[in-house]
Amino acid sequence: GEDVEQSLFLSVREGDSSVINCTYTDSSSTYLYWYKQEPGAGLQLLTYIFSNMDMKQDQRLTVLLNKKDKHLSLRIADTQTGDSAIYFCAETDILTGGGNKLTFGTGTQLKVEL
Amino acid sequence: DVKVTQSSRYLVKRTGEKVFLECVQDMDHENMFWYRQDPGLGLRLIYFSYDVKMKEKGDIPEGYSVSREKKERFSLILESASTNQTSMYLCASSPVGRGVGYTFGSGTRLTVV
Repeated sequence: GEDVEQSLFLSVREGDSSVINCTYTDSSSTYLYWYKQEPGAGLQLLTYIFSNMDMKQDQRLTVLLNKKDKHLSLRIADTQTGDSAIYFCAETDILTGGGNKLTFGTGTQLKVEL
Repeated sequence: DVKVTQSSRYLVKRTGEKVFLECVQDMDHENMFWYRQDPGLGLRLIYFSYDVKMKEKGDIPEGYSVSREKKERFSLILESASTNQTSMYLCASSPVGRGVGYTFGSGTRLTVV
């Protein structure tokens, strides 16, 4: 089956850039997503990228996709303490009937230090 | 504000009890999902549903069942709770069509003692 992998922890200083990496195995992935989970909360969709794109930028967030290497990254510019959370990478599994089953990675705990 | 509501934030149940976790969405979404979240394992799909009275097994369905009698409600049932089912349970919904993300509930932290 599909597999999505992430490193478990990342620590950065406030004001620096954070880069969270993700690798996936499903060559038929069509959409790839980044979700954020704050303590005690559910997951919130941050951004997504279609597989025919290389890059997508949204304010402080930049998503880079290397389809050849099946590598996805999320860069957060000027990281703030409010960015401390768990970040999940996810990809779609193409299904019939309009379904949209996502496979999630293990999540990366981002800690922002003063 | 559209949302997915899970009926309980915290639950403590005894081994062998039958446990119901309820999830309701107000977005008229066709698809609904139940995941469990464990440290170091990420989110693992238990069951999902594309339509009323329809259900499909996910990656870890053993020990669980589901019910979807109405479009807005998707229930997860632990037939006989065990300590290894202690976890955070997350419900999500999405409309039909690829490329749209999920909307998640806040989660239910279940402890089985």
